[in-house]
Amino acid sequence: AQSVTQLDSQVPVFEEAPVELRCNYSSSVSVYLFWYVQYPNQGLQLLLKYLSGSTLVKGINGFEAEFNKSQTSFHLRKPSVHISDTAEYFCAVSDPFGGGGNKLTFGTGTQLKVEL
Amino acid sequence: DTEVTQTPKHLVMGMTNKKSLKCEQHMGHRAMYWYKQKAKKPPELMFVYSYEKLSINESVPSRFSPECPNSSLLNLHLHALQPEDSALYLCASSQTGTGGNQPQHFGDGTRLSIL
Repeated sequence: AQSVTQLDSQVPVFEEAPVELRCNYSSSVSVYLFWYVQYPNQGLQLLLKYLSGSTLVKGINGFEAEFNKSQTSFHLRKPSVHISDTAEYFCAVSDPFGGGGNKLTFGTGTQLKVEL
Repeated sequence: DTEVTQTPKHLVMGMTNKKSLKCEQHMGHRAMYWYKQKAKKPPELMFVYSYEKLSINESVPSRFSPECPNSSLLNLHLHALQPEDSALYLCASSQTGTGGNQPQHFGDGTRLSIL
């Protein structure tokens, strides 16, 4: 069974500062990893995904994540945040052998609050 | 703008009412999903349709009844709901329903309140 742990429920940060949102996963097989962002009163929007290949993945809005197989981590980073990045961020893992649907297992989410 | 459209955006209903949520996508995706999301929680998978066939039902109570009339449309029929069913209901779609490597595209959801 797969699981995802997001270690921080809330991360406050000042505007223009760097930020890292942590995500660890556990799986007995190869995995596909995703980061989604949810702004207030909206659905989830895909930020980036790791399927294979280069371990450094670049996404939208200046975010990037690094897949680390030995540490089973997929941390999300941004070098300089903006007030508009305030949102809930979800890390998710997908089972490549899960038939009948791309079933996603979500972490509990991290609330990023950017302050002036 | 999202490519998955959900209607209505808000719905208030009594426990004896029957209503339906609608989801539509025109990306040619062949897998569609229903999720339930409570405040400050991640989405919980309810149902998955793959090529218009129900492939996953996460032990959802029968008062929720999904329907996939065609590859672009997904409905969720609601009947005799309970107050604890109040939540944001999200629809998503992905290219196919297998392989695990396709990201899901989400709609903005229907916020459901049960009186």
